[in-house]
Amino acid sequence: QKEVEQNSGPLSVPEGAIASLNCTYSDRGSQSFFWYRQYSGKSPELIMFIYSNGDKEDGRFTAQLNKASQYVSLLIRDSQPSDSATYLCAVGSNTGKLIFGQGTTLQVKP
Amino acid sequence: NAGVTQTPKFQVLKTGQSMTLQCAQDMNHNSMYWYRQDPGMGLRLIYYSASEGTTDKGEVPNGYNVSRLNKREFSLRLESAAPSQTSVYFCASSPIGSEAFFGQGTRLTVV
Repeated sequence: QKEVEQNSGPLSVPEGAIASLNCTYSDRGSQSFFWYRQYSGKSPELIMFIYSNGDKEDGRFTAQLNKASQYVSLLIRDSQPSDSATYLCAVGSNTGKLIFGQGTTLQVKP
Repeated sequence: NAGVTQTPKFQVLKTGQSMTLQCAQDMNHNSMYWYRQDPGMGLRLIYYSASEGTTDKGEVPNGYNVSRLNKREFSLRLESAAPSQTSVYFCASSPIGSEAFFGQGTRLTVV
């Protein structure tokens, strides 16, 4: 079992809809949680980070963390074609390791 | 405003050849990482370094060695390249427990 798991997709949503991306992790000692976006041929770039249980909102993006269920999610509201990319969940442990999931490909159709 | 710089950007090796991928960061970060990315596999951690002089194995360390000579630089060495090491390699750095910043990647092909 991978330490960080994501559904690879593709997840297809119409323009203007809400996209919901999910991630589970196995290490209960994990302390930091990140969502990255990666366009084809480019480096990953940070979208959101979250350290505490609950929701964190930034513009059209909301990250949700549930440590009891070992679950992290990212909601993208009013999805745009420019949001089409691979979304990577990353989990940081107290030892300094930063482990990524396999990524979910999101397609936003006009 | 360089951030994380990787060299080279592209490399073709023959099976059995050796090479070192270089990575340097100018953000005074303690932690540095090497990842490989294959289609459908996300980013897999090869090695990481929590601070100068320390290194630890990640998820896929076999066939690689690393060196953290100073706070800025973290190199990845392939002693005897194999076709299975064909991949895109990313170096990253971060403050401890915080977001990682990535280099532009090295596209390596082993023939």
